[in-house]
Amino acid sequence: QKEVEQNSGPLSVPEGAIASLNCTYSDRGSQSFFWYRQYSGKSPELIMSIYSNGDKEDGRFTAQLNKASQYVSLLIRDSQPSDSATYLCAPQTSPWDTGRRALTFGSGTRLQVQP
Amino acid sequence: GAVVSQHPSWVICKSGTSVKIECRSLDFQATTMFWYRQFPKQSLMLMATSNEGSKATYEQGVEKDKFLINHASLTLSTLTVTSAHPEDSSFYICSARTAWSTDTQYFGPGTRLTVL
Repeated sequence: QKEVEQNSGPLSVPEGAIASLNCTYSDRGSQSFFWYRQYSGKSPELIMSIYSNGDKEDGRFTAQLNKASQYVSLLIRDSQPSDSATYLCAPQTSPWDTGRRALTFGSGTRLQVQP
Repeated sequence: GAVVSQHPSWVICKSGTSVKIECRSLDFQATTMFWYRQFPKQSLMLMATSNEGSKATYEQGVEKDKFLINHASLTLSTLTVTSAHPEDSSFYICSARTAWSTDTQYFGPGTRLTVL
């Protein structure tokens, strides 16, 4: 079983629609969760972080976390063609090792926003 | 804030040579830096974690004698790929963690290595 599961996509949505990206993780000890956006040939860019159960909104982005279900999602409202990229879910792992506290990345969901 | 740079952005080398990649945190002190490798259409794979002044911690399957990591200061970490082979061709990305945000990682722009 993979540690972080994401649907590889592509997820295709029309411009202006809501894009919903999902992620499940296996490490129950994870306390911090991150969403990164990666354009082709570029390095990841931090979109959002979430630490508590519930929703966290930042502009057009909303992250949702349910630790009991080991599930985290990212909603993108009013999707734009410039949002077309691969979105990586990254729970923090190894919480007991404060010197390391690495992130484990999912394989990413490719989002395509159609003009 | 929290800007990370990498140099070079791309490099082409002959098989058997060594290549050094630098990762710098420009406007903050990075207590921990991470090195990732990403092959085409795959996700980021953590290679090693380095804390300033300590030996790097390598992930399982990563050869520490082949991928030398030095984290001599709070703003600089280097990755040296020794005796490079074509299968080492990949996108190498570093990230840095700030002292005030224990989990958030900020990524450098990456270095594309091609070994002929």
